Amino acid sequence: GAVVSQHPSWVICKSGTSVKIECRSLDFQATTMFWYRQFPKQSLMLMATSNEGSKATYEQGVEKDKFLINHASLTLSTLTVTSAHPEDSSFYICSAHSGTSGIYEQYFGPGTRLTVT
Amino acid sequence: GNSVTQMEGPVTLSEEAFLTINCTYTATGYPSLFWYVQYPGEGLQLLLKATKADDKGSNKGFEATYRKETTSFHLEKGSVQVSDSAVYFCALMNTGFQKLVFGTGTRLLVSP
Repeated sequence: GAVVSQHPSWVICKSGTSVKIECRSLDFQATTMFWYRQFPKQSLMLMATSNEGSKATYEQGVEKDKFLINHASLTLSTLTVTSAHPEDSSFYICSAHSGTSGIYEQYFGPGTRLTVT
Repeated sequence: GNSVTQMEGPVTLSEEAFLTINCTYTATGYPSLFWYVQYPGEGLQLLLKATKADDKGSNKGFEATYRKETTSFHLEKGSVQVSDSAVYFCALMNTGFQKLVFGTGTRLLVSP
């Protein structure tokens, strides 16, 4: 149980276009979802926290207008990278918390590799 | 601020060797500490955790002890297997928050 999927697993897009990444909790309801970004050989950096039905809370330094997060249902959160540029190329990982599991339990998706050309 | 420092990898071992992956942290207050493992092509999975000083987390033969005096949470396993090859992340979470702060990850490669 507690499976989180991401789609797509990898995407290549052209500079200036937008790309949407989906994060789904497959067998539980996720009251809170988290989006992370990981650079090569670096740790996961939390970008934002989203609660179902409310606006996301962004970490300091993360551009809200560039990284649009929507948590429209208890099983789906989306991250849209708007007007992507090569510096947005990275590995994006989501995680989900059910609210009924232990406070520490975050279930992670496999990640999405974004390459902007 | 809060931060986690892990030893750089890759760590290369032969099967049945003893494993130690060092992790130290800096935090305000009394954080909870975690080890996550990421197998190839999969998401991070919680391996073990400890929520207060001197607690020992253990799972699948892995252990780590929360050492407040040395601000450390080193991961150990007495006899590694090829199937343990993965990337291991040390992380902390401050009390009352859900935000995880991760180390850079350490890749473990175990050969037969």
